[in-house]
Amino acid sequence: QQQVKQSPQSLIVQKGGISIINCAYENTAFDYFPWYQQFPGKGPALLIAIRPDVSEKKEGRFTISFNKSAKQFSLHIMDSQPGDSATYFCAATNTGNQFYFGTGTSLTVIP
Amino acid sequence: ETGVTQSPTHLIKTRGQQVTLRCSSQSGHNTVSWYQQALGQGPQFIFQYYREEENGRGNFPPRFSGLQFPNYSSELNVNALELDDSALYLCASSLPSSYNEQFFGPGTRLTVL
Repeated sequence: QQQVKQSPQSLIVQKGGISIINCAYENTAFDYFPWYQQFPGKGPALLIAIRPDVSEKKEGRFTISFNKSAKQFSLHIMDSQPGDSATYFCAATNTGNQFYFGTGTSLTVIP
Repeated sequence: ETGVTQSPTHLIKTRGQQVTLRCSSQSGHNTVSWYQQALGQGPQFIFQYYREEENGRGNFPPRFSGLQFPNYSSELNVNALELDDSALYLCASSLPSSYNEQFFGPGTRLTVL
């Protein structure tokens, strides 16, 4: 049973465009929602994270939007760059140690 | 500062065999978590070790077991390998408090034939 559902599976965006990746969850006990970026041959790296007491968090070009009532959260990458081409994973936890990951989104930014 | 390292990089085993994967945590981190990442999927939590004790376990059978050593390095052992165990195995280290950032290693690619 997939605790966190992620879409789309793949995404192609022009340089300078906005990349949007969506995730949905069922467990209302989840209280921490990180996003990870993974390059080929590397482990995932934390990009940005949010708690459900805020609706939006922005760090540079990366923004998380959180909708608690809809149990959805999304990652927005503004001014997408070719260097952003990677696989992105959303995740959730309510214990702080066991994280449930989405299935990933492969992002390609075309120059 | 040394990051998380894992060995070996790649491994090929046959069904029924046993395998041991190793992880050295980032300097100063005393908590280690293990994940299984099947091809095209997100990482799935196997278990976490803190102070040499298991501190949380995901939905994996007992043939998946682990150890943490006094220097905080860790091993993942898998017995009676099955074809579905073929995956990238990731180790992540962190500080002990909940919700601390997990730093992932590059993983070990295990292929079971």
